[in-house]
Amino acid sequence: DAGITQSPRHKVTETGTPVTLRCHQTENHRYMYWYRQDPGHGLRLIHYSYGVKDTDKGEVSDGYSVSRSKTEDFLLTLESATSSQTSVYFCAISDTTGQETQYFGPGTRLLVL
Amino acid sequence: GENVEQHPSTLSVQEGDSAVIKCTYSDSASNYFPWYKQELGKRPQLIIDIRSNVGEKKDQRIAVTLNKTAKHFSLHITETQPEDSAVYFCAARYNAGNMLTFGGGTRLMVKP
Repeated sequence: DAGITQSPRHKVTETGTPVTLRCHQTENHRYMYWYRQDPGHGLRLIHYSYGVKDTDKGEVSDGYSVSRSKTEDFLLTLESATSSQTSVYFCAISDTTGQETQYFGPGTRLLVL
Repeated sequence: GENVEQHPSTLSVQEGDSAVIKCTYSDSASNYFPWYKQELGKRPQLIIDIRSNVGEKKDQRIAVTLNKTAKHFSLHITETQPEDSAVYFCAARYNAGNMLTFGGGTRLMVKP
């Protein structure tokens, strides 16, 4: 597996609380992504980053924000968690040296009560 | 944006049989098509990919074919084994930002 870790791996929180998920890579890859995975929907892109401080929205960005202050870290924040944000969150990375493959982190299971 | 549809959503085969999963995409500019395998509770892992300048690619028991005219691509698994049981996702890359759009997934069950 590529050098990608996610923290926490599991989290239970209450509606209305802020939540931050962290993705950390040791591959020095330029691109980082946040996806959510829900039954019947596959993997849907929330936000992605193409460099330090360079981010853009994906397909399902409402209710989420991201930050990337260092190449190795990409943070996903739920400003005020809702039950609809209960999901499994995957981080992924890819490089731009002609290898477009995205490698996934181990995932974070989030339950919003 | 890109739209990827994947069929079937579930597939059950007998060990040793072949399995085929099909995907269609909407954006003719898409140029990279990976397939991922996800075992229960695990991360998606790349098993094979194909670029738009190639029609077919094989890696041991798995192969992928691409028909750019029809905008569809397929995953073929031959001589299936119980350890092939997993959820398989297709995806298409639709712009220079290296963003992937994923299909909804296919749950493959290989019965011993």
